[in-house]
Amino acid sequence: TQLLEQSPQFLSIQEGENLTVYCNSSSVFSSLQWYRQEPGEGPVLLVTVVTGGEVKKLKRLTFQFGDARKDSSLHITAAQPGDTGLYLCAGDLNQAGTALIFGKGTTLSVSS
Amino acid sequence: DADVTQTPRNRITKTGKRIMLECSQTKGHDRMYWYRQDPGLGLRLIYYSFDVKDINKGEISDGYSVSRQAQAKFSLSLESAIPNQTALYFCATSERQGYGYTFGSGTRLTVV
Repeated sequence: TQLLEQSPQFLSIQEGENLTVYCNSSSVFSSLQWYRQEPGEGPVLLVTVVTGGEVKKLKRLTFQFGDARKDSSLHITAAQPGDTGLYLCAGDLNQAGTALIFGKGTTLSVSS
Repeated sequence: DADVTQTPRNRITKTGKRIMLECSQTKGHDRMYWYRQDPGLGLRLIYYSFDVKDINKGEISDGYSVSRQAQAKFSLSLESAIPNQTALYFCATSERQGYGYTFGSGTRLTVV
């Protein structure tokens, strides 16, 4: 059973379009993180959200943590080819001695 | 220099061979992790360590072993490599529970 479900799995859009990626779970997380991974490289942390209902913005990227801290979304406005990559969400169950739980990711392709 | 360095970047080995993947970090973090990434399966945790004397199995530890030689060094070994261990392997570090991970650039391992 996958604790963190990401959707969609694949997304192919044109430059300038908006998109939203979702990360859902039945578990409550103390924090949730979003990473972007480019081919041939390791994932790079974009943001950490810790408070239910929290919204964080990073240029054209908007991240939201659900009120119940079970889900999160990533919205990209006016996507650019440089946004292409694999987007991963990861949650912390706040159980001592455990590692982050990762979703399987959303592969985004933005064409010009 | 990168915060997390993995060597080698690429490796082709034969079935039955022993191979070691190395990871070193300059972040000064106590927590280190080994993941493997396969298409469609996301990042899966192999082993993790919260300090030099602490080693924990992840969800897919069978066929792997690790050694935490120092705070900065965490190596992953495949005692007898098999083809289904062909994957992209990532090492990561974090400062504390729930904090973001810093990943290395990965090792692409092919077992033939």
